[in-house]
Amino acid sequence: AQSVAQPEDQVNVAEGNPLTVKCTYSVSGNPYLFWYVQYPNRGLQFLLKYITGDNLVKGSYGFEAEFNKSQTSFHLKKPSALVSDSALYFCAVRERGTRQLTFGSGTQLTVLP
Amino acid sequence: KAGVTQTPRYLIKTRGQQVTLSCSPISGHRSVSWYQQTPGQGLQFLFEYFSETQRNKGNFPGRFSGRQFSNSRSEMNVSTLELGDSALYLCASSLMSGSETQYFGPGTRLLVL
Repeated sequence: AQSVAQPEDQVNVAEGNPLTVKCTYSVSGNPYLFWYVQYPNRGLQFLLKYITGDNLVKGSYGFEAEFNKSQTSFHLKKPSALVSDSALYFCAVRERGTRQLTFGSGTQLTVLP
Repeated sequence: KAGVTQTPRYLIKTRGQQVTLSCSPISGHRSVSWYQQTPGQGLQFLFEYFSETQRNKGNFPGRFSGRQFSNSRSEMNVSTLELGDSALYLCASSLMSGSETQYFGPGTRLLVL
């Protein structure tokens, strides 16, 4: 069965500093990997995905993520955090050949001014 | 293109009642998935519909059901509501069943009293 772990419930970073939100996964075979962001009282917004190819994936709002097959990780990164990046971030995985998306527990990112 | 829309946005029901939630996917999208989001359990997959057929189902009791219409709009129904059914119900659409990216609606927040 596929699973996702987000080891940090909360990440705090100062505005202008780089940020990292961690994600590790477990699937059989090669995965599809996703990051979504959720603002209060809103649905999930798609940020980026890894399907195949280059291990560094660039997405919306300056976010990027690095796929590391040996460490089964897909950490979300941004070089310079903004206060407006404060939100709940979800990592998700889908095993190829399946239709179900499995989400991590979420990481609350707070960017301090 | 308009995004995924869900109606109603908020609902208050009492135990034992039933409820129907509606989801209109992005134009041209034929797959609709439903998720339940709660503080304790996080995001959990309910089911997916494609071409009016349920293609995948999560681990929820039979009180949770859904359907999809020929225009790809979907409804989910919860019968005999329980307090634990209080949650944010999210609908996501994608082009095809098993397509890589799902796009989420704003959700319907259900409160069961």
